[in-house]
Amino acid sequence: AQTVTQSQPEMSVQEAETVTLSCTYDTSESDYYLFWYKQPPSRQMILVIRQEAYKQQNATENRFSVNFQKAAKSFSLKISDSQLGDAAMYFCAFSFGGGADGLTFGKGTHLIIQP
Amino acid sequence: DAGVTQSPTHLIKTRGQQVTLRCSPKSGHDTVSWYQQALGQGPQFIFQYYEEEERQRGNFPDRFSGHQFPNYSSELNVNALLLGDSALYLCASSLDRGGATQYFGPGTRLLVL
Repeated sequence: AQTVTQSQPEMSVQEAETVTLSCTYDTSESDYYLFWYKQPPSRQMILVIRQEAYKQQNATENRFSVNFQKAAKSFSLKISDSQLGDAAMYFCAFSFGGGADGLTFGKGTHLIIQP
Repeated sequence: DAGVTQSPTHLIKTRGQQVTLRCSPKSGHDTVSWYQQALGQGPQFIFQYYEEEERQRGNFPDRFSGHQFPNYSSELNVNALLLGDSALYLCASSLDRGGATQYFGPGTRLLVL
């Protein structure tokens, strides 16, 4: 079974600075999908960004970008120009089939934004 | 366009009881997945429903069962509740195609006393 590891239980960053959250995963397959989800204290899980393993180009969504290293099985999230609203739990997730498959989540990283 | 909705928002039960949680998917979505999120942990996949059948299941006992209706809404049933079943239960909906994103509801917080 695949596993997802987030080695940083908590990270802190100054407002307007850049922070990188780490994620590694383990699978023997070559086709899969990776996601970063954000869960604010209100608890609704929100998709931040997604990456298809067959795409070499790293995904970008406004201030959020990923560094996808397929050989190293690494999928880090970079948040630029951090804002107070970015404070939340961030979960890295893995799936073989996207919508047609259950997601495997890491334990999460609690991101604190210092004003 | 309404997103994924879940009911109730909170629920308190006692050990041994049974509980039913409900989920309405995002408009146009035909696949519903359920997750259990214990305090301080990431969500764990319970099962997924498509075309009114359980298509995939995580490592959860048979006490956890579900149903999907013709309108794609879904129920999660848990029998013989244990203290360890206390958690946030999340429903996610998606299209049935490879690479589709799962959209989550706000969750139901279950407390078992």
